[in-house]
Amino acid sequence: QSALTQPASVSGSLGQSVTISCTGTNSDVGGYKYVSWYQQHPDKAPKLMIYDVSNRPSGVSDRFSGSKSGNTASLTISGLQAEDEADYYCRSYTSSSTYVFGSGTKVTGL
Amino acid sequence: QVQLVESGGGVVQPGRSLRLSCAASGFTFSSFAMHWVRQAPGKGLEWVAFISYDSSNQYCADSVKGRFTISRDKSRNTLYLQMNSLRGDDTAVYYCARGGTYSDLWGQGTLVTVSS
Repeated sequence: QSALTQPASVSGSLGQSVTISCTGTNSDVGGYKYVSWYQQHPDKAPKLMIYDVSNRPSGVSDRFSGSKSGNTASLTISGLQAEDEADYYCRSYTSSSTYVFGSGTKVTGL
Repeated sequence: QVQLVESGGGVVQPGRSLRLSCAASGFTFSSFAMHWVRQAPGKGLEWVAFISYDSSNQYCADSVKGRFTISRDKSRNTLYLQMNSLRGDDTAVYYCARGGTYSDLWGQGTLVTVSS
């Protein structure tokens, strides 16, 4: 199972919006609503930001939102803040009953 | 408090075995599916294995199939990862994570280094 495709990096001015894409196939991202997104700061454990494509856990800022179209899921960070600078990973359930992560995206504020 | 604490990491020679543990506390461990996820130095997250809440289903990544086994002990509130025939590319921080289709609680990770 190959990693889902994410851009290596995205950047934006503080206060602006950035969007991270996560592209798979109809055997993973496109076939199920089970896409989740994780934020990871250096030397820290990942943190759940979005689950089931577009749901936000309690305590996660509403500046984070998720969506999906076909085989591509997306995470949007609105009003980018300095503390949002981190690595972001998508994860999807697959038709083999396994899971696969995206390749990861480094978000940088300008 | 609600937490997961991994242990058992260390330096091991290629071809040898190691067992990781993940102690759960503060929640009903037996109600949740669990995952192992790893991260090689400077690399991204890689899903390793999944076990259902009642151990009836287990799945592993192709990269570890036949070498790693995930299991759990509800009496000890502990998740395990038995790793055999270790290779250099198994070197990583190993995280346990709670949940099935999404993981809302993660441990701090334990480092496994495979080296002669």
